[in-house]
This record gives sequence, C-alpha cells and structure tokens, in this order.
Amino acid sequence: QVQLVESGGGVVQPGRSLRLSCAASGFTFSNHAMHWVRQAPGKGLEWVAYISYHGSYKIYAGSVKGRFTISRDDFESTVFLQMDSLRLDDTALYFCARDASGQYCADYWGPGTLVTVSS
Amino acid sequence: QSPLTQPAAVSGSPGQSITISCTGTTNDVGRYNYVSWYQQYPGKAPRLMIYDVSNRPSGVSNRFSGSKSGNTASLTISGLQTEDEADYYCSSFTTINNWVFGGGTKLTVL
Repeated sequence: QVQLVESGGGVVQPGRSLRLSCAASGFTFSNHAMHWVRQAPGKGLEWVAYISYHGSYKIYAGSVKGRFTISRDDFESTVFLQMDSLRLDDTALYFCARDASGQYCADYWGPGTLVTVSS
Repeated sequence: QSPLTQPAAVSGSPGQSITISCTGTTNDVGRYNYVSWYQQYPGKAPRLMIYDVSNRPSGVSNRFSGSKSGNTASLTISGLQTEDEADYYCSSFTTINNWVFGGGTKLTVL
C-alpha cells in the first residue's frame, strides 16, 4: 500500500536551516509528482511546493519562494524540502503528499513532521 | 485570509444533508475543473474525498458529492453520520500554476 513518512522536523532558531525528508513506498515513485503542504498550529492547510515527476519543474508558494527548495531522489524514493532563513511563521506540521497524476490534487498524504521555529 | 473562502463552521443532525461552499475567483475555481476536497480529523493527515470537482476516489462513500457553479464549488454530504464530524478543506489549481486551499470548515454532527 502507498506509504509516505516524513522526517527531519524539530526546533530551530529563526534564520537557521532545516531539511525535511519524505520516504515513499508502495508505488512507483518516479511516476508521480510530489507536494509539500503545511499546517500551522490550529490553522488551515497551506500548499508549499510541488516537484514534477521528472524533477525538472518546481513551483513554490509566494511565502516560501527564495527560501525553500524542493528536490527528489528517485533511486531512494524520497522527496526533500530544504528550508533556509526560517521565520517564526514557518512553524507548522509539514506534510508530504503524492500528486494524483492528471488530477491536480494530492491523493495520499504522510502523517507529517513538526517544525518549530523559536528563539 | 485564505485565497478560497469557506464557512468556518457548519452543523447538521444524523441523517440530514449539509453543503459546504468554497468561493474563489476566475483565476482558480472559476477557471479550472480542478477543485478537490479533503477531510481531516484532528491530529491526522488530510484524506482526499473529491477531485476534479465531482469525482470520488475509490473507497469514498457515495454520500459525498461535489459540484461547481461559476467561482463557487460545493461539497455535499448526505445521510450525515457521526463519523463525518471533521474539518473539510477545498483546494484548487490556479492560473499562476500553483495550488490554493480554503480556510477550512469544521463540521459538527449534532
């Protein structure tokens, strides 16, 4: 069955960096685009980033553009989110999600990893 | 303020039907039939319930249905059950090639 497991979250000071990973299994990873979506404590969902199935097309939300970088390793079936220049408002539960090919939505989600930016 | 507007809360009694609206613009909901709906229980990951406005993934009850008119999409849940009590989020693809979510609607089954 499809499984996504995020890791790499933690507590970090403002201005520092963190790298999240999402290990995928149960499907042909290289055939699917991937998303990162976040949810601040007590708040709604916010789409963060997308990477195409071949990795050459990446798009970002305006709130993270220039600070976050999405990438993937198809050999390891893993998608990454490099987060630099972290701010207090980046505190959130970060989900990775599989793109449902051709349907412009996310059909499977991981349980999330918590990132806390605090001084 | 979220790009897509949803009511903060709706409620209904078991067996009744409820509808959650999701209002966007001509740059997202009104432009594409790429509206999706997600169900989320507290502390859990979202679950896809509807995609492409009105399609249900395998395993989703046919009590859930979606529609769209102009810039507003809707999720209808018929025959409400206690297990439907959750947060619901709409999402749409946009003309600037990204995705946006609504602010979420808390459904209470009385």
